[in-house]
Amino acid sequence: AQKVTQAQTEISVVEKEDVTLDCVYETRDTTYYLFWYKQPPSGELVFLIRRNSFDEQNEISGRYSWNFQKSTSSFNFTITASQVVDSAVYFCALSEIGSPGGFKTIFGAGTRLFVKA
Amino acid sequence: ETGVTQTPRHLVMGMTNKKSLKCEQHLGHNAMYWYKQSAKKPLELMFVYSLEERVENNSVPSRFSPECPNSSHLFLHLHTLQPEDSALYLCASSQEVRNTEAFFGQGTRLTVV
Repeated sequence: AQKVTQAQTEISVVEKEDVTLDCVYETRDTTYYLFWYKQPPSGELVFLIRRNSFDEQNEISGRYSWNFQKSTSSFNFTITASQVVDSAVYFCALSEIGSPGGFKTIFGAGTRLFVKA
Repeated sequence: ETGVTQTPRHLVMGMTNKKSLKCEQHLGHNAMYWYKQSAKKPLELMFVYSLEERVENNSVPSRFSPECPNSSHLFLHLHTLQPEDSALYLCASSQEVRNTEAFFGQGTRLTVV
């Protein structure tokens, strides 16, 4: 069965600190997608990244970077030089490609990030 | 116009009321979703529509009734709800039903009294 674990419920950092949000997943599929979404106070989830299971290359987008490690079933998200506007709830999600119901995206419980000025 | 629009943003209803939540997407997507977000619980997928056909009903009580009249509109009809149904209801759409990123609306904050 699919499962996504975000063990960190809340993280608080001071502006300009780097912060890493952890995501560990479980799946029996060999082909799957992983996602990160950001949910600011306004409510809507904002898509950040999608990564397929065959692509373990790390990705950097501005201050955001993602570290995908199949060996440890982890897809961690790092924000460099955090800013107050990064304060939000961040969700990691998993979608299995091959299985029936592969359209179900399973979300982790989310990590609430507070960035203090 | 934003990509996915939900109305109303806030709704308070009694347990005997009937109300509807509306979602509209302007992205030309083929799939639409209803999610429920309760405090301290992961996002729960409720319903999935692909090209106006329901492809998933995730064991949702019958007091929630979805309707997808066309690929741009999705409704969630509510009747005889319970206080534990109070939550943020999020609508989303994606290009296809499988494995593509979803675009979310801002949600309807529902309070059942």
